Amino acid sequence: EVHLVESGGDLVKPGGSLRLSCTASGFNFSNYSMNWVRQAPGKGLECVSSITSSGRYIDYADSVKGRFTISRDNAKNSLSLQMNSLTAEDTAVYYCARESIWDLRTSYFDYWGQGILVTVSS
Amino acid sequence: DIQMTQSPSSLSASVGDRVTITCRTSQSINNYLNWYQQKPGKAPKLLIFAASNLQSGVPSRFGGSGSGTDFTLTISSLQPEDFATYYCQQSYSTPLTFGGGTKVEI
Repeated sequence: EVHLVESGGDLVKPGGSLRLSCTASGFNFSNYSMNWVRQAPGKGLECVSSITSSGRYIDYADSVKGRFTISRDNAKNSLSLQMNSLTAEDTAVYYCARESIWDLRTSYFDYWGQGILVTVSS
Repeated sequence: DIQMTQSPSSLSASVGDRVTITCRTSQSINNYLNWYQQKPGKAPKLLIFAASNLQSGVPSRFGGSGSGTDFTLTISSLQPEDFATYYCQQSYSTPLTFGGGTKVEI
């Protein structure tokens, strides 16, 4: 059974840093692209960052570019998100999500973690 | 980035009703459109991928259609467990953007 478990959420002051982790099990982690998706309180979903299976290709939302860094360790079945220069606008539940490919072209997020809360406040 | 517009933003319906939610994209995305359901305090759940393909385990009362820029999620007969928020997502180009959501209420 596929499981994704996030950790590392916390209360942090503006300008601070935090590192989120996502531990995967139940599937061959090294075969899948992975994503971080966040949801601010009472708001919709935002794809924050994505990383391909090998880690070769990485993408970021404009809202976090230059501040967040995604990485993965396929040997440890682990995905990470290093978040720097945090602001109140980064307060959200952060989900890691597995990305599956269909028909060699399109993709979708078929498994999600339970989410972890990051609160940025003084 | 591709902009996603969902309508309505919320709707009220009764058990047994047929419900239709629309998603419009700012440019053509072929059929690269997914639908998710989210209940309060829970992670989103994939319902439909590539516009019309039902994810394994999802009840057949859920259906998706459309291509290009206009897409529809239909719930043929609303059940009590279907009261939730629904999101569309385009997978045509990165970043994979979501619609603003449609809250289905009693």
